[in-house]
Parts: sequence; structure tokens; C-alpha cells
Amino acid sequence: DQQVKQNSPSLSVQEGRISILNCDYTNSMFDYFLWYKKYPAEGPTFLISISSIKDKNEDGRFTVFLNKSAKHLSLHIVPSQPGDSAVYFCAASASTGGFKTIFGAGTRLFVKA
Amino acid sequence: EPEVTQTPSHQVTQMGQEVILRCVPISNHLYFYWYRQILGQKVEFLVSFYNNEISEKSEIFDDQFSVERPDGSNFTLKIRSTKLEDSAMYFCASSGRDTAKNIQYFGAGTRLSVL
Repeated sequence: DQQVKQNSPSLSVQEGRISILNCDYTNSMFDYFLWYKKYPAEGPTFLISISSIKDKNEDGRFTVFLNKSAKHLSLHIVPSQPGDSAVYFCAASASTGGFKTIFGAGTRLFVKA
Repeated sequence: EPEVTQTPSHQVTQMGQEVILRCVPISNHLYFYWYRQILGQKVEFLVSFYNNEISEKSEIFDDQFSVERPDGSNFTLKIRSTKLEDSAMYFCASSGRDTAKNIQYFGAGTRLSVL
């Protein structure tokens, strides 16, 4: 099931710089997109989301961009901090279903001090 | 801050045994979910539950699996006869009403080890 793809398994960024995590999806029925952050031995933690009627949503250092025509979304973290080091999952759901959320494989972000 | 609580944190069982994984969702949430993550793989949807019935389930959620909300607070996942390949982290999640229903909040997970 490759409906949500995160093609970069890892990303390394210097503290203070921008981190850009990318995600592609294939299912046109998806109308809500989320980013979760996960630390080892913990469950995914909700970070930020975006509805398909928007193309940008911002929350502090985190901004999610959605390009529906390209079926692509990205998460920008500015400035990156060492505490941001974690696995980031892109996820998508369709309101017509039972809110089943499909996750990407995750991108491990390393922020170097 | 309200959170989803899962017990136990680690469950070891013999192949063929029944296990029940327990979850206490956030108290005013209406939608409940189970996901699993096999080591090194994706987080996979198993089942969603709303209004005391399953609203959607994946191909993974076969007849060996069942869910129940036995009272007003607990949400359980039962695996009737465990197999080696059921070894995974199992995450419970819940979400609220209206516009918040898309945002699922996850518990810390139960690691199931089938020997």
C-alpha cells in the first residue's frame, strides 16, 4: 500500500537552518493531511495538519504546504532545533471513510548542534 | 493535558494464545482506532470504531481480531489466536468531533511479542 510516500528515509540539518520534509500521495480521495512526530518508545504525536481546501498552514516554527495538483505536501521547520530530531510521518485521510489514516514510511530528521 | 493510555506497555505471549490490549481514549472523544507497526515498517491502520460499531477495517483485521468498548472508558483489541507475525507495536488512537475528528491522538503503544 504505497498511497502515501516519503522517499527520503533520513535528513540531516544544521541547527538554525530550515528542514524540509517531503511527502507524495496518490489517492485523490484524501482531503486531510497531517504530520506526526515520533520519538523512540512513544506513539506518534500530532504536529500540524492541513485541509485540502488550503495550500498552507502555519503553526510557530512549523509550516505545511499542500500542492494538490502535484499531490505533494511538505513540512518546513524553521529554525530547526536539536530537539526536533525524531521520525516524522506524513499521513492522509479521506472524510468519506472511517477516518482511517494512511501513514508514510517516515523520515528520520537529525538536527546537528 | 488529556492523553490516550495503553496497557500493558509490553505483552509477551505464546503462539496460539489470546491477548487483549487495552486502551483508555481521551474522555470526550468519539472515534477510536487501532494501528500497528511491525519493527522497521510503516504504521498500519487496523480498525476504526464509532458509535459502538466498526466503521472501517483493513485487510489485516481478519477474523482473529476483534474490538470492543465494554464500558464508557475502555477500548480493547483482542487477538484470538496469536501468530508469530502479530509481533508488533500496537497503537490506540482517538479523535474528537466535528473539525477535530481528523486529528488522531495516539497512545504510547503496547509492544506485543509472540514467541
